[in-house]
Amino acid sequence: DTGVSQNPRHKITKRGQNVTFRCDPISEHNRLYWYRQTLGQGPEFLTYFQNEAQLEKSRLLSDRFSAERPKGSFSTLEIQRTEQGDSAMYLCASSLTRGENTEAFFGQGTRLTVV
Amino acid sequence: AQKVTQAQTEISVVEKEDVTLDCVYETRDTTYYLFWYKQPPSGELVFLIRRNSFDEQNEISGRYSWNFQKSTSSFNFTITASQVVDSAVYLCALSEARGDTGRRALTFGSGTRLQVQP
Repeated sequence: DTGVSQNPRHKITKRGQNVTFRCDPISEHNRLYWYRQTLGQGPEFLTYFQNEAQLEKSRLLSDRFSAERPKGSFSTLEIQRTEQGDSAMYLCASSLTRGENTEAFFGQGTRLTVV
Repeated sequence: AQKVTQAQTEISVVEKEDVTLDCVYETRDTTYYLFWYKQPPSGELVFLIRRNSFDEQNEISGRYSWNFQKSTSSFNFTITASQVVDSAVYLCALSEARGDTGRRALTFGSGTRLQVQP
């Protein structure tokens, strides 16, 4: 399967712990996005990369959040000192942004529960 | 700022009924894209359609059809002869289209949960 892959699928952590999620995009896609989705809401944009460059961070992304895409391939999203409000589904998407190719393909997400 | 509104939080229909999911958007951009995604209980978003703001032609794909009306800023989605497998959350989304360097992040509505009863 060559779709977007996210790991882990589920993560339960204690408040105050650090967590890291991984996203492997579709191989030729130059764009990678992170979104957060809480219950009953649509996904909200967090940040995106074009190749290895992080081009924008949403104001939703506090200083406790950091994302990397070191070689322009996979990406990691780290949350430090987790809080209960961080509990959500974290979705990764990738797209090939050249001309008209703009649809993003999503992974299955990582569901984070902070207890 | 961009905004997408899906006023219908939840819709329940009986199998074989037709159902229309509403989507209203706001944007200052003259060129933009509109999307519909399906989100089954597994969580993964499944891409259904992308529409460029210059293309107001309605589209039909099997039991699915989309009605794009720029005059009312709406992009509604109709499922004909619904089936139990159509049960999911349906998300409407909007992105700007400013060339290859544009952000193109999606602004989503809050989704409509569709329950199709047998």
